[in-house]
Amino acid sequence: EAQVTQNPRYLITVTGKKLTVTCSQNMNHEYMSWYRQDPGLGLRQIYYSMNVEVTDKGDVPEGYKVSRKEKRNFPLILESPSPNQTSLYFCASSFQGRNEQFFGPGTRLTVL
Amino acid sequence: GENVEQHPSTLSVQEGDSAVIKCTYSDSASNYFPWYKQELGKRPQLIIDIRSNVGEKKDQRIAVTLNKTAKHFSLHITETQPEDSAVYFCAFSGNTPLVFGKGTRLSVIA
Repeated sequence: EAQVTQNPRYLITVTGKKLTVTCSQNMNHEYMSWYRQDPGLGLRQIYYSMNVEVTDKGDVPEGYKVSRKEKRNFPLILESPSPNQTSLYFCASSFQGRNEQFFGPGTRLTVL
Repeated sequence: GENVEQHPSTLSVQEGDSAVIKCTYSDSASNYFPWYKQELGKRPQLIIDIRSNVGEKKDQRIAVTLNKTAKHFSLHITETQPEDSAVYFCAFSGNTPLVFGKGTRLSVIA
């Protein structure tokens, strides 16, 4: 089954404790992206990747890191999480970035 | 960067009525205009999309219209049903990857 998976689905952590949210897709898509969703603010792009070893900042990259060492995986790293990063995070992938995006199930992160 | 204005932010309609959501975009090179539906607690999913070489596309009760001169596109839902209640996002892309609007919360009142 073609899908985008994210782990964990839910995470409660404390300020400053490094964490990684994994994202994997099995559709051989070149393009992958991370969004955060907050009430009233829609989907804001954090980082995206057009292909392996190519990453670019989105609209809200501060406090986040990403890597794209393999085509199927695009982890999101929070080196030192802060409470303002409490949010719902979605990973998405698509063919070349200008076509339908397939979203993962979301990760709800709470930083205390 | 590129952006898209989406209106209204909330919309309530009676079951059976029509709903219209409009988006205005900034990049005149845009050529792909999708609409996503996000039900409560779920991920956004594509419901319909249109490319710049057509002006209108329909799929049962939903339709999208595109006016490239005015740089706006709209989602039309006819004969609304309670299961249409969700948040709807417009998006566009051209020289950049997809840019999303802030969303419209549609409530269909039975």
